Amino acid sequence: ETGVTQSPTHLIKTRGQQVTLRCSSQSGHNTVSWYQQALGQGPQFIFQYYREEENGRGNFPPRFSGLQFPNYSSELNVNALELDDSALYLCASSPRPGTTLPNYGYTFGSGTRLTVV
Amino acid sequence: AQKITQTQPGMFVQEKEAVTLDCTYDTSDQSYGLFWYKQPSSGEMIFLIYQGSYDEQNATEGRYSLNFQKARKSANLVISASQLGDSAMYFCAMITNSGYSTLTFGKGTMLLVSP
Repeated sequence: ETGVTQSPTHLIKTRGQQVTLRCSSQSGHNTVSWYQQALGQGPQFIFQYYREEENGRGNFPPRFSGLQFPNYSSELNVNALELDDSALYLCASSPRPGTTLPNYGYTFGSGTRLTVV
Repeated sequence: AQKITQTQPGMFVQEKEAVTLDCTYDTSDQSYGLFWYKQPSSGEMIFLIYQGSYDEQNATEGRYSLNFQKARKSANLVISASQLGDSAMYFCAMITNSGYSTLTFGKGTMLLVSP
């Protein structure tokens, strides 16, 4: 079974620009969650997509938006980039929300390191 | 709201020794799960071990065990026989049985294993 792949691995953008990050979900998973991990911090939940619809959102402004495609891959878009958006962005796929599997089947990608200058 | 607290910013241990990484949690939910992840410098979150709130026995996975004390709301990770490759950030995380299952993470503990 394939794992979760994120692209690109590294990215440098200028303040005010827009960025799109991509994530492919693991085979058999239909839910994708995005997390932002600032330097020295734990990951923070951004939002989750289930069957192509946003299924939940953390405390992030509307300039953070996303999409999920019929093959369950996902995009994270950030508009009007700010310096504080510099972080590691992690994507995780899982079978479905509320699944009762012992470890909920979460599989993380290696992340995209975004630097805003 | 859920909260995870990891009070140890960094831990040092010698190779082959055991080490305990602390984690306390707070939630009003009765049904929840606790995770430990390892994050090497490459950035990937590697799943180590899981404990459900209704599991009566402490979880074990090879050299990893989770010391679950429900009344104290603690879920400490014990790594036996540390190896040099165990040097990494370690995160404790919680999931609750809400409509959308998301993880709440602590701030992490950096573990350094010396020869």
